[in-house]
Amino acid sequence: GEDVEQSLFLSVREGDSSVINCTYTDSSSTYLYWYKQEPGAGLQLLTYIFSNMDMKQDQRLTVLLNKKDKHLSLRIADTQTGDSAIYFCAESGRLTGGGNKLTFGTGTQLKVEL
Amino acid sequence: NAGVTQTPKFRVLKTGQSMTLLCAQDMNHEYMYWYRQDPGMGLRLIHYSVGEGTTAKGEVPDGYNVSRLKKQNFLLGLESAAPSQTSVYFCASSYNGGNTEAFFGQGTRLTVV
Repeated sequence: GEDVEQSLFLSVREGDSSVINCTYTDSSSTYLYWYKQEPGAGLQLLTYIFSNMDMKQDQRLTVLLNKKDKHLSLRIADTQTGDSAIYFCAESGRLTGGGNKLTFGTGTQLKVEL
Repeated sequence: NAGVTQTPKFRVLKTGQSMTLLCAQDMNHEYMYWYRQDPGMGLRLIHYSVGEGTTAKGEVPDGYNVSRLKKQNFLLGLESAAPSQTSVYFCASSYNGGNTEAFFGQGTRLTVV
């Protein structure tokens, strides 16, 4: 079955870059996602990457995908205190009833220090 | 445009009590999902629906039931709550269940004592 793993915590200084890593198991995943969860809130889609891409850049965010190693990373440039949140990696997989489901990692708590 | 709305936001139940969590979406999405979030375990899929009148089991369905009588609503029921069901519950919806964005509600924090 699908399994997605992430480290639980990351602490960085404001202005530095943050790199959050994720490994997944389902090689058939077409899309891989990064979601952000702020305290007391639901998850919001941050960015995603199609499985035939190696990299995607979106302003301060860079997603790198190594499909051979099933490794996904999210780099946040110039990290700000507002970036403090839990970041979830997710892979898409097929539901037996049709359509896709998201399998989430455990989430990485990013703490940005002044 | 409210998106995905969950009620209630918080609830404390005694063991053995029953309750229903309501999820409503106003985006005309076909697919709806119920997840639970527990520390160190990410989000796990409880039940899902691929359209009005349909429901199916996810990874952790035991102890829960769902109904999708109207396209915009997806109800999650606990018939006899247990302390192991203490969790934060999230509802989500997506347009067609394909590789499209899933929109999440704010969550319901449930404590079973």
